[in-house]
Amino acid sequence: GNSVTQMEGPVTLSEEAFLTINCTYTATGYPSLFWYVQYPGEGLQLLLKATKADDKGSNKGFEATYRKETTSFHLEKGSVQVSDSAVYFCARGDGGSQGNLIFGKGTKLSVKP
Amino acid sequence: NAGVTQTPKFQVLKTGQSMTLQCAQDMNHEYMSWYRQDPGMGLRLIHYSVGAGITDQGEVPNGYNVSRSTTEDFPLRLLSAAPSQTSVYFCASRIYNEQFFGPGTRLTVL
Repeated sequence: GNSVTQMEGPVTLSEEAFLTINCTYTATGYPSLFWYVQYPGEGLQLLLKATKADDKGSNKGFEATYRKETTSFHLEKGSVQVSDSAVYFCARGDGGSQGNLIFGKGTKLSVKP
Repeated sequence: NAGVTQTPKFQVLKTGQSMTLQCAQDMNHEYMSWYRQDPGMGLRLIHYSVGAGITDQGEVPNGYNVSRSTTEDFPLRLLSAAPSQTSVYFCASRIYNEQFFGPGTRLTVL
């Protein structure tokens, strides 16, 4: 089964609002954690990552901190823009040597002007 | 660098037909993989390869075949298409722990 759980979407926000998308995981050990973004009609792009506990990944104003105590990797942005409208996927490494990923179901974000 | 390319972008098949989804990368990555994306399901791994001549199954391999004769190419074959294979298919390559995705192929099986 899927061991990455994201908050259900869609999420609709006004421009400049604060964004949080929750992500929790189950795993043995401490897997690498990722957020990917998929803009309409495109493939997924890596947004940010964290490879060990307490690491903070950041990119394009987005941040997420690897919290081993709560097995979470919540995505945040202080002020969203219309151009941030996309589907966001949380993922973790599967723990194997091949580096396969296990994805959450995705959260669609729509930002209104 | 073109990155990861996929063809075709769209395809409609009838039940029982076969076809091959093409994937190529020009980054010399050893690792490549195929995922399918279904509404409300996220991405699920179909097959992957850690180098030319080496392939392995992912979470949902049934109904799909792969081969890896070169580092650059990793085609996905549907031997006898079924409506349950209607999906968006993404190919990816990986270096270290970063995956690079192609633009996807939207497949409809009638």
